[in-house]
Amino acid sequence: EPEVTQTPSHQVTQMGQEVILRCVPISNHLYFYWYRQILGQKVEFLVSFYNNEISEKSEIFDDQFSVERPDGSNFTLKIRSTKLEDSAMYFCASRPDRSPEAFFGQGTRLTVV
Amino acid sequence: AQTVTQSQPEMSVQEAETVTLSCTYDTSESDYYLFWYKQPPSRQMILVIRQEAYKQQNATENRFSVNFQKAAKSFSLKISDSQLGDAAMYFCAYNYMDSNYQLIWGAGTKLIIKP
Repeated sequence: EPEVTQTPSHQVTQMGQEVILRCVPISNHLYFYWYRQILGQKVEFLVSFYNNEISEKSEIFDDQFSVERPDGSNFTLKIRSTKLEDSAMYFCASRPDRSPEAFFGQGTRLTVV
Repeated sequence: AQTVTQSQPEMSVQEAETVTLSCTYDTSESDYYLFWYKQPPSRQMILVIRQEAYKQQNATENRFSVNFQKAAKSFSLKISDSQLGDAAMYFCAYNYMDSNYQLIWGAGTKLIIKP
């Protein structure tokens, strides 16, 4: 069964460093999302991406964040200068056309020290 | 504003018994979708069940069923014959077409299964 794959599963980074989280969505899906879950808190929407551009973003998704689909298969989330409060689980999800159902990756746990 | 509320931070149930997790939501949309996701300790997000708002019939998936009350904006999850593997966080979530189907999440309910 096709699945969304995220790498790495766990990343530890120094505050102020750039980090790139990678996702391989399901191949025939057209819509891509990043969500964040700070430990013990609600899952929060960050950004959605369609047709090689951002379609929606939340107020969390400030200038420190960017997304890219560099090669038609990977979908990346970059955090330019990480802060302690960026420590969270980051989930990538993809969705086929004409369906409300998103398929999630297993998540990347980001720890900023 | 669309919101999803789960009022039970934690629930426990004896193995093989039935438990119901509550969820309410607020929306002005008429056509939307509701979901229950399970998050085990591995923290992966697994879809349990989905309900289309335009369908009156409650969704079921094996031991999992929902009680969808559209007028009351209520969407509860019933787990029958609870198993140890059902222990997890359960999140209620909602989306609709005009929001590009981005998911809005409840705070979650931790389900404990007592052997």
